[in-house]
Amino acid sequence: QQQVKQSPQSLIVQKGGISIINCAYENTAFDYFPWYQQFPGKGPALLIAIRPDVSEKKEGRFTISFNKSAKQFSLHIMDSQPGDSATYFCAASGSSGSARQLTFGSGTQLTVLP
Amino acid sequence: DGGITQSPKYLFRKEGQNVTLSCEQNLNHDAMYWYRQDPGQGLRLIYYSQIVNDFQKGDIAEGYSVSREKKESFPLTVTSAQKNPTAFYLCASSIRDSYRGEAFFGQGTRLTVV
Repeated sequence: QQQVKQSPQSLIVQKGGISIINCAYENTAFDYFPWYQQFPGKGPALLIAIRPDVSEKKEGRFTISFNKSAKQFSLHIMDSQPGDSATYFCAASGSSGSARQLTFGSGTQLTVLP
Repeated sequence: DGGITQSPKYLFRKEGQNVTLSCEQNLNHDAMYWYRQDPGQGLRLIYYSQIVNDFQKGDIAEGYSVSREKKESFPLTVTSAQKNPTAFYLCASSIRDSYRGEAFFGQGTRLTVV
């Protein structure tokens, strides 16, 4: 019930391309879905987040798409740049019981080739 | 500057030793968390605290202990009972439960058993 499944484990794209990372969850108590970006040797930092009352949220080149019925959400990075090369984690949490704490996906290591 | 400070950045432990990882925040956050990061496994919650003098076990608390005597501090002790302690440890904080908004992470401590 607590698991958040993330794919792919690694992703290589060319500069200017679109990077897409997918996540799926089981616990219907989740109602907050953030994405975190982590550079090597650093702590994760919040990139963008969505709540299930909307199906899409865009901030600059980063877009979250959310499908509540399928219990899936994804991160799209448009015009990917070498500086976007990092590990990306999806996460989920909710307002009740054991869902109150963030549950993280296993991470996607993104490499953007120049 | 507001933020979370973890120390040390690198820590080496001999077999059978207890070691303590420091985490201090000056963000005036009520909630603090400890995560363990292993390659390909994302971030797993060890312990969390929502208020001074109170804390709860996360998903992988065995072999770890914490204290929360001050709002700003949440040290983690890795005991000799933790059989596989080599990992990257991340401390985080948030205003309240992490489902309400952003969790801020420290820079991490890399623990290695020698």
